[in-house]
Amino acid sequence: DIQMTQSPSILSASVGDRVTITCRASQSISSWLAWYQQKPGKAPNLLIYKASSLESGVPSRFSGSGSGTEFTLTISSLQPDDFATYYCQQYNSYSLTFGGGTKVEIK
Amino acid sequence: EVQLVESGGGLVQPGGSLRLSCAASGFTFNDHYMDWVRQAPGKGLEWVGRIRNKANSYTTEYAASVKGRFTISRDDSKNSLFLQMNSLKTEDTAVYYCARSPTAHGYFDYWGQGTLVTVSS
Repeated sequence: DIQMTQSPSILSASVGDRVTITCRASQSISSWLAWYQQKPGKAPNLLIYKASSLESGVPSRFSGSGSGTEFTLTISSLQPDDFATYYCQQYNSYSLTFGGGTKVEIK
Repeated sequence: EVQLVESGGGLVQPGGSLRLSCAASGFTFNDHYMDWVRQAPGKGLEWVGRIRNKANSYTTEYAASVKGRFTISRDDSKNSLFLQMNSLKTEDTAVYYCARSPTAHGYFDYWGQGTLVTVSS
């Protein structure tokens, strides 16, 4: 299975900060990567697919980049609603696998 | 509006069985691949498995951790997805989500609210 490693696991930031989360794959996954946001007690919400395509309805402050084995999710200006846990997921091959998550908390 | 509603969760003893259901509405269910994803309490997301659509012969894929114990099926006439879980282990305790893939690719654009399965004696 392809292992997905996210860093950092916890990120403390303030409203208005630019935030970057990294996801590394154990082998090349081309651009077959998605990012999700999850709030406590809720289902995940799709933000980005194919590494950099913004899902409809997702604010433009979210962006994704990367290919191969290294990917980033950037929030250009952190808003109060963005404090949550973020997961990357590869869909290059089965088993589909998720990163361990990055919790974005208030500094 | 796309809706996915899971049901069937509960408390079951180790070695027992449980069948989860997911009722879909608001989209053409039979066009889509459907998946199950789980999340153990306080932990991250783990993909469980998927079932393709009729055009792809309803073929299935499973995570190694559940292969041979869990079976995914669907009833397109009832817009329903199922997860039959047998030989349950304590490590299967999790919230189970059904999720829709918008294309043949393996990411998920809609999720249900989840149903909690607790495996404990």
